[in-house]
Amino acid sequence: QVQLEESGPGLVKPSETLSLTCSVSGASVIDYYWSWIRQPPGKGLEWIGYVYYSGNTNYNPSLRSRVTISMDTSKSQFSLSLTSVTAADTAIYYCVADRGSGWSWFDPWGQGTPVIVSS
Amino acid sequence: DIQMTQSPSSLSASVGDGVTITCQASQDIKHYLNWYQQQPGKAPRLLISDASSLKTGVPSRFSGSGSGTDFTLAISSLQPEDVATYYCQQYDVLPPTFGQGTKVEIK
Repeated sequence: QVQLEESGPGLVKPSETLSLTCSVSGASVIDYYWSWIRQPPGKGLEWIGYVYYSGNTNYNPSLRSRVTISMDTSKSQFSLSLTSVTAADTAIYYCVADRGSGWSWFDPWGQGTPVIVSS
Repeated sequence: DIQMTQSPSSLSASVGDGVTITCQASQDIKHYLNWYQQQPGKAPRLLISDASSLKTGVPSRFSGSGSGTDFTLAISSLQPEDVATYYCQQYDVLPPTFGQGTKVEIK
């Protein structure tokens, strides 16, 4: 049973870099693609991008210039880096597994970690 | 990006009622459509993939149908634990996109 747990600062200042890590347990990291999805307060879901154990990545074009997703297979962790954040980046950030193509069936999800962008 | 439009935005029904949520894609997405349930304060969970394949462990009162641009999520007999927001998601074209959600409440 795959389990995911996000960690990272809950408060980030505007213009700085948001950094989150997702720890994976219960599965081999080579068996899935690993995505980040976010949900602004009271709003819908936005796919940020994915990483594969090989290092292959794919990002949402709306965020591509600011996003890096990387994988540390030795620690069974993957990470999100989002640069030059603004208040619009305030959201709950979820890490998610995908057994399909990296952007198909998001299952399961971590519990989510809230990030507030504020000075 | 492909736009996913759900209707209604919210609904209220009695326990035992049948409920239907629709999702319309801005272009043909074949059967590449998933449904998720997000209970209050929780992460979303996958209910249905490929438009109509019920995930193992999901109650059989949930069902999905449709192809092309028009899709439906049905709950045959609404239960208190079904109070949640439901999202559709397409994965035919990158980036994957979600509907805006349908909030289901008990009357």
